[in-house]
Amino acid sequence: GEDVEQSLFLSVREGDSSVINCTYTDSSSTYLYWYKQEPGAGLQLLTYIFSNMDMKQDQRLTVLLNKKDKHLSLRIADTQTGDSAIYFCAVPMEYGNKLVFGAGTILRVKS
Amino acid sequence: NAGVMQNPRHLVRRRGQEARLRCSPMKGHSHVYWYRQLPEEGLKFMVYLQKENIIDESGMPKERFSAEFPKEGPSILRIQQVVRGDSAAYFCASSREWNTEAFFGQGTRLTVV
Repeated sequence: GEDVEQSLFLSVREGDSSVINCTYTDSSSTYLYWYKQEPGAGLQLLTYIFSNMDMKQDQRLTVLLNKKDKHLSLRIADTQTGDSAIYFCAVPMEYGNKLVFGAGTILRVKS
Repeated sequence: NAGVMQNPRHLVRRRGQEARLRCSPMKGHSHVYWYRQLPEEGLKFMVYLQKENIIDESGMPKERFSAEFPKEGPSILRIQQVVRGDSAAYFCASSREWNTEAFFGQGTRLTVV
């Protein structure tokens, strides 16, 4: 069936780069998303990439998409303590915005 | 242009009561999606609506749950006779077209006591 997997936990030191990985079994040809969620809060859209792109850079964020390997990654440069949160990747299945979310990666930034 | 607005942000209901969750999409968006997030899990798709039509309700529980998106007014997710297991965060998203970017609201956190 349709599945999206993420590693559960990542710990980095402040100032280092963080890389959060996501693999999926299938995807329709639209947008793939990265969301940030702080405890008890809503979803904050971080960035998204269209399925015909390989890379997208937005300030400290870099998204890489490898369609052949069905692998999506989010790199956060110069990670700050305020980046500590849960990060979800979301992949469209079947069509458009019928998204399947990963279980989330907890990012902990140590100062 | 305001984002997707959901209300209330927090809702407490006793077992057996009804819960009504509202979602106003972004201006110009006619496609609405509801997702549920159980504690410490990712979001799960529930239903996709376009004005006055349910397009895909494959993720919706068969009983007690219903959704609508009338011609005028917000989309409503209605849960009848709530049970403790319905306690979750319910998120709404909207998009302009079926294949354009979707934006999420802040969610409604339902607690059933």
